[in-house]
Amino acid sequence: GQSLEQPSEVTAVEGAIVQINCTYQTSGFYGLSWYQQHDGGAPTFLSYNALDGLEETGRFSSFLSRSDSYGYLLLQELQMKDSASYFCAVKRRDDKIIFGKGTRLHILP
Amino acid sequence: DAGVIQSPRHEVTEMGQEVTLRCKPISGHDYLFWYRQTMMRGLELLIYFNNNVPIDDSGMPEDRFSAKMPNASFSTLKIQPSEPRDSAVYFCASRSLGELFFGEGSRLTVL
Repeated sequence: GQSLEQPSEVTAVEGAIVQINCTYQTSGFYGLSWYQQHDGGAPTFLSYNALDGLEETGRFSSFLSRSDSYGYLLLQELQMKDSASYFCAVKRRDDKIIFGKGTRLHILP
Repeated sequence: DAGVIQSPRHEVTEMGQEVTLRCKPISGHDYLFWYRQTMMRGLELLIYFNNNVPIDDSGMPEDRFSAKMPNASFSTLKIQPSEPRDSAVYFCASRSLGELFFGEGSRLTVL
């Protein structure tokens, strides 16, 4: 089988840093992606890690440890517009892409 | 490019009726995915295609669901007959390298 675990909700303060964790269990793991979804909108791509280590894209960074089946999304200098749901997604060698249940990020002013 | 285009954006129908959802992927993308999103189950993968060929339909919940991709620029997801538990947002996404591009979704309500 396969599973992805991420916290259902996280709360942080505007201007702060927040980390959203994701652990996965799947056969044929190839890479880990992160997506953002605002209420009523479609998921949009944030980052992709196929190799261990940190990938940085502006205020957002994503980390992967293949040996630990673990990754995280790091959001810095939080802004109110970052309030959204964040999904980790596993890409398998058979090109299947499976999503976690999502983490709802609440940002306090 | 206009992105992934889905229609209809909203559909309200009665139990037992046939529902057809449509998707136009981004030109040049060779993979197309159909997902269903509900609060309880999150984003569920229903089926995906590679070069118009269905690769894995193990996520299709029942025989009432079927999907086709007759050519590289068009796919349909059909539910016949529809039931209230099919109410959800259905997303189509096409893929370039590691990134999925989602359409705006079709919100289906079955009464």
